[in-house]
Amino acid sequence: GAGVSQSPSNKVTEKGKDVELRCDPISGHTALYWYRQSLGQGLEFLIYFQGNSAPDKSGLPSDRFSAERTGGSVSTLTIQRTQQEDSAVYLCASSLRAENQPQHFGDGTRLSIL
Amino acid sequence: AQTVTQSQPEMSVQEAETVTLSCTYDTSESDYYLFWYKQPPSRQMILVIRQEAYKQQNATENRFSVNFQKAAKSFSLKISDSQLGDAAMYFCAYRSPPSGTYKYIFGTGTRLKVLA
Repeated sequence: GAGVSQSPSNKVTEKGKDVELRCDPISGHTALYWYRQSLGQGLEFLIYFQGNSAPDKSGLPSDRFSAERTGGSVSTLTIQRTQQEDSAVYLCASSLRAENQPQHFGDGTRLSIL
Repeated sequence: AQTVTQSQPEMSVQEAETVTLSCTYDTSESDYYLFWYKQPPSRQMILVIRQEAYKQQNATENRFSVNFQKAAKSFSLKISDSQLGDAAMYFCAYRSPPSGTYKYIFGTGTRLKVLA
């Protein structure tokens, strides 16, 4: 597609379950970013990928959060043993290169933990 | 650590009027990038305008312009001839220089209401 695609658009799950969020960046974009946006808050940086490697994982809130990217394209963000405070919109963005190109965002996944 | 502050949680503007959204930031770097993003109810973040810190000239994109005051670490967004479609959350963002980690730091946003 022409833009960044995220799936699912909405996810409701029970506390303690694992969830997997997917991001398909714009074709050819080498840099990929994950953010978390809690209600009424700005974007909280989680992790970014350059190709398949993640030079900066400093934003991951805990060891329950992990992310991977394969083939320099699709990325998945996994949250294990979800907690209610994990409820948020998770946004993915990609850019042609990390150095000086603007990010293009997906529509996000709204995650609700019951 | 770098921080971005948007002190106006909400602003209102009459259609066709001009509004300025404030943003201040803190950094020890001399080279960096600043952005304004718009997030309508659809959730998708849309780049409005960006500024490279080494450029003295203020960036302009049609009805959108910035007032970049590097010494004061201020980066305000001016929207001229406001339209109903401008209503959205606006986020100011800072990005590390190329030698850095490419991490973006976002402010908490300003909700802009446009009154008909």
